[in-house]
Amino acid sequence: QVQLQQSGAELAKPGSSVKISCKASGYTFTSYYISWIKQTTGQGLEYIGYINTGSGGTNYNEKFKGKATLTVDKSSSTAFMQLSSLTPDDSAVYYCARSKLFLDYWGQGVMVTVSS
Amino acid sequence: DVVMTQTPPSLSVAIGQSVSISCKSSQSLVYSDGKTYLHWLLQSPGQSPKLLIYQVSNLGSGVPDRFSGTGSQKDFTLKISRVEAEDLGVYYCVQATHFPNTFGAGTKLELK
Repeated sequence: QVQLQQSGAELAKPGSSVKISCKASGYTFTSYYISWIKQTTGQGLEYIGYINTGSGGTNYNEKFKGKATLTVDKSSSTAFMQLSSLTPDDSAVYYCARSKLFLDYWGQGVMVTVSS
Repeated sequence: DVVMTQTPPSLSVAIGQSVSISCKSSQSLVYSDGKTYLHWLLQSPGQSPKLLIYQVSNLGSGVPDRFSGTGSQKDFTLKISRVEAEDLGVYYCVQATHFPNTFGAGTKLELK
């Protein structure tokens, strides 16, 4: 069965970076993109962008350019998202989701907390 | 970005009731290929979102036919017939016609 297993919760200091992972199983990894979504109580669900897992090509929501960097390791069927120059506004749950025409399978989410 | 407006923000229902949720977009969601990329998600308490309906009216894998979706252009509706306890949670519409995908604010379905 399709599964997206994300890495564990992160506690980070303002100004630092975190890199979270999303390991896929149960399907041909390079046949689907991986999208990333941010969820907060205040802003709801926000789409960060996606990575073409075959070519490594990316497309970012303008709002997250410079904040998020998406990469992929095809050999381990794992997608990564690095968040840089963290501020308290980056505190959120971050999801990865398998995507082609729609977000059909989601990871369990990673809670990132930015605090000094 | 396309703005997705969902109503109502919350619904209180009894088991067995039927309910409808509205989702309106600020732009037409018909893509250049003629298809409409409007989908519905359910986030059950403590869980990640799950795909319920894709492209307006197609049921996701394993989704019971108590769920149905209708609509076109800028106006869409999710209907749940005979609500069951497992249906409780927050429902989101999401459009993928225009980049970036944008989500409605959610409709929380609670037990009366």
